[in-house]
Amino acid sequence: ETGVTQTPRHLVMGMTNKKSLKCEQHLGHNAMYWYKQSAKKPLELMFVYNFKEQTENNSVPSRFSPECPNSSHLFLHLHTLQPEDSALYLCASSQEWGFNQPQHFGDGTRLSIL
Amino acid sequence: AQKITQTQPGMFVQEKEAVTLDCTYDTSDPSYGLFWYKQPSSGEMIFLIYQGSYDQQNATEGRYSLNFQKARKSANLVISASQLGDSAMYFCAMREGGNSGYALNFGKGTSLLVTP
Repeated sequence: ETGVTQTPRHLVMGMTNKKSLKCEQHLGHNAMYWYKQSAKKPLELMFVYNFKEQTENNSVPSRFSPECPNSSHLFLHLHTLQPEDSALYLCASSQEWGFNQPQHFGDGTRLSIL
Repeated sequence: AQKITQTQPGMFVQEKEAVTLDCTYDTSDPSYGLFWYKQPSSGEMIFLIYQGSYDQQNATEGRYSLNFQKARKSANLVISASQLGDSAMYFCAMREGGNSGYALNFGKGTSLLVTP
């Protein structure tokens, strides 16, 4: 089983739908992250959780709502998204939040907004 | 300002040859970590190698090595004996140790194609 698992792998939704992305890590890590990867742009950090507490929100619109019930699980709840939100959403985890800690990523959820 | 610059949008290399992917970075923080990731077309971001700003020696991991030149602020990735499976996007990233948050700052990536 891979270290970081994301579901679903692909998601197509209308602008008025509500859906959730799920991330689970099996590495015993304490920090989890959501990133957005749009075409031709560098990865953008969205949210950070350290020991289940949200420590960073990178000016993300409120139509994205994260949830971290425990150190192993991270959700991204989606509501009333816009076409420009179509992107690859990557979840990552690291042992701790230190600058020398590599972040391990999942396969991503490819999201398309109709 | 961009913290990570990867100037090569695309590179070709023949199988079994070595290839160098360029990365320069910009920071005034004395403590930082540099990372290289590989992203195949499937989307997963695979961690390859890490170099810390205080590390005296260049990092190596199997066929991957990092040519760390601190004064020039460069951290080039060298892949030796390229294989067809090395074809992917490669991203250089940096994490600063000060109060700059938790983000890994990524470059725009280099697309590597390994040919037979």
